[in-house]
Amino acid sequence: EAGVTQSPTHLIKTRGQQATLRCSPISGHTSVYWYQQALGLGLQFLLWYDEGEERNRGNFPPRFSGRQFPNYSSELNVNALELEDSALYLCASSLFRKVHNEQFFGPGTRLTVL
Amino acid sequence: GDSVTQMEGPVTLSEEAFLTINCTYTATGYPSLFWYVQYPGEGLQLLLKATKADDKGSNKGFEATYRKETTSFHLEKGSVQVSDSAVYFCALSGDYKLSFGAGTTVTVRA
Repeated sequence: EAGVTQSPTHLIKTRGQQATLRCSPISGHTSVYWYQQALGLGLQFLLWYDEGEERNRGNFPPRFSGRQFPNYSSELNVNALELEDSALYLCASSLFRKVHNEQFFGPGTRLTVL
Repeated sequence: GDSVTQMEGPVTLSEEAFLTINCTYTATGYPSLFWYVQYPGEGLQLLLKATKADDKGSNKGFEATYRKETTSFHLEKGSVQVSDSAVYFCALSGDYKLSFGAGTTVTVRA
């Protein structure tokens, strides 16, 4: 069974640009989560999508947004990039109706903002 | 809100030593608890989980017991190997998101 996949592996942008990160969940999983792992800040919850809808959002500004497609894959968009957006962005998937919410993570996209 | 407090590292051990990483949590309700591991340059892998009080999760020689009375979920391994060198994260599930501890970097020397 294929795991969670993310693309690209690395992304280099300059301040003010936009970044688009992509995630494909495990087959059969309907929920996709995005986390930011920034140096010194640990793992922070960003967004949760399920069945095409945004279900929950972490404490991040609106320039962090995303969507989930009918095939349950997801996109994270970061607008007006700032230097502090440099981080590893991790995507995870789970079965929404699985009570214990075990999440499976992809390898991440390393975003560098210059 | 939910939070996880994890033993600060880094932790350096010799092969075959005993490893313990402390984790305590604050949560409303009855969360599920997890330990994730991150090897250098990789994403997170689920190491073990426990879904209710007194449950013991185990995998690859690692164990952790869900202690509701002390709100703890400490990770232990009796004899570590060089391949166990990684960052370990304690996490709890609440509101359909995971809240993570800060992570503990473990280095095992041959």
